Amino acid sequence: RKEVEQDPGPFNVPEGATVAFNCTYSNSASQSFFWYRQDCRKEPKLLMSVYSSGNEDGRFTAQLNRASQYISLLIRDSKLSDSATYLCVVNEGAAGNKLTFGGGTRVLVKP
Amino acid sequence: DVKVTQSSRYLVKRTGEKVFLECVQDMDHENMFWYRQDPGLGLRLIYFSYDVKMKEKGDIPEGYSVSREKKERFSLILESASTNQTSMYLCASSSDKPESGTEAFFGQGTRLTVV
Repeated sequence: RKEVEQDPGPFNVPEGATVAFNCTYSNSASQSFFWYRQDCRKEPKLLMSVYSSGNEDGRFTAQLNRASQYISLLIRDSKLSDSATYLCVVNEGAAGNKLTFGGGTRVLVKP
Repeated sequence: DVKVTQSSRYLVKRTGEKVFLECVQDMDHENMFWYRQDPGLGLRLIYFSYDVKMKEKGDIPEGYSVSREKKERFSLILESASTNQTSMYLCASSSDKPESGTEAFFGQGTRLTVV
């Protein structure tokens, strides 16, 4: 079983709609969690950190469920520019704060 | 702004060559990472380092080695390049200090082709 798993998609989303997807992780000792965005042929960039109580940044909402070991990302009022691959990242908290990436979820927002 | 700089955007090397990929960060981060990214396989960790002269194997260290002689620089070495090492290589760095955030910052990537 992979340590961090994501549905690869693609999620085809009409412009203006809401889309949500999850990421599951296997290490219950994982300490911190992030969502990254990666555009085609570019490096990943931090979208948002995920806090225990859940957090929101504009149209983006991230949730953490420690009991079930997953995090989620919800995008409201999708824009064409939201089309990208969204990577789930887990910090296992070991020496060096090893970061493990999920395979990514591809989102395509269409007019 | 944190800056992570990789020495080359594109590189073409011959099978059997020794290849050096260099990465420099300017934020005094303790941790540095090398990943490779391939279609359908996502980002896979090759090696990481949490301190000068310290290194830890990631998930796919075979065929690679690393060097961290200075805090700001982390080098990935392909001892004898093979065609299956053709990939996008991404360097990242992160801080150990929770107050400054522990997320990773990436370089722009090096697309290596081994012929």
